[in-house]
Amino acid sequence: EVQVVESGGDLVQPGGSLRLSCAASGFYDIYWVRQAAGKGLEWVSLIETSGDTYYANSVKGRFSISRENSRPYFHLQMNSLRPDDTAVYFCGKGVSGHWAIETWGQGTPVTVSS
Amino acid sequence: QSVLTQPQSVSGAPGQRVTISCTGSSSNIGGGYDVHWYQQIPETTPKLLIYGNSHRPSEVPDRISASKSGTSASLVITGLQSEDEGIYYCQSYDGSLRGVVFGGGTKLTVL
Repeated sequence: EVQVVESGGDLVQPGGSLRLSCAASGFYDIYWVRQAAGKGLEWVSLIETSGDTYYANSVKGRFSISRENSRPYFHLQMNSLRPDDTAVYFCGKGVSGHWAIETWGQGTPVTVSS
Repeated sequence: QSVLTQPQSVSGAPGQRVTISCTGSSSNIGGGYDVHWYQQIPETTPKLLIYGNSHRPSEVPDRISASKSGTSASLVITGLQSEDEGIYYCQSYDGSLRGVVFGGGTKLTVL
């Protein structure tokens, strides 16, 4: 069974940094999607199995997605955090050949506040 | 303001049919990019219902279907059941934004 498990969410001050991790059961296209309280889904970033990376305009230049070569761990490095980055961050496995997410983690909460 | 527009809410009685629309533009749905659909029950994670415009994962019942035409897409649920209550999101890719885009979500209420 394919699984993805997020970790690393925390309370951080504005301007601070945080690294989220996603432990997957294999090397897949991995998405990060966030959801602020009471709001809809917002795509954040994607790393394909090819290594190509993509970012939403709202996080471009501040967030960086990466993966480890030796094990299926994926990371989202978040810098220059702002209060509007506050959300639950979900990691998800992509559907092969489609820009869709077939397996979602439980999410990890990030709060940016002083 | 979401790039993909969905109605805020729809409702139907048990056993009825409901349709949820998703309207985009020439830079996303109308540009030939696939549409995908998710269901999110409150306090749970999203669940993929449809990918590639009309393909259902094996665990999704066949009373759930979807289609795409022009700059819009639709999700249809027939034989409505109480377990169908939740928020439904459409998703596509936008060539101008060069990234994934979601609709704002539609709350489905089973009366």
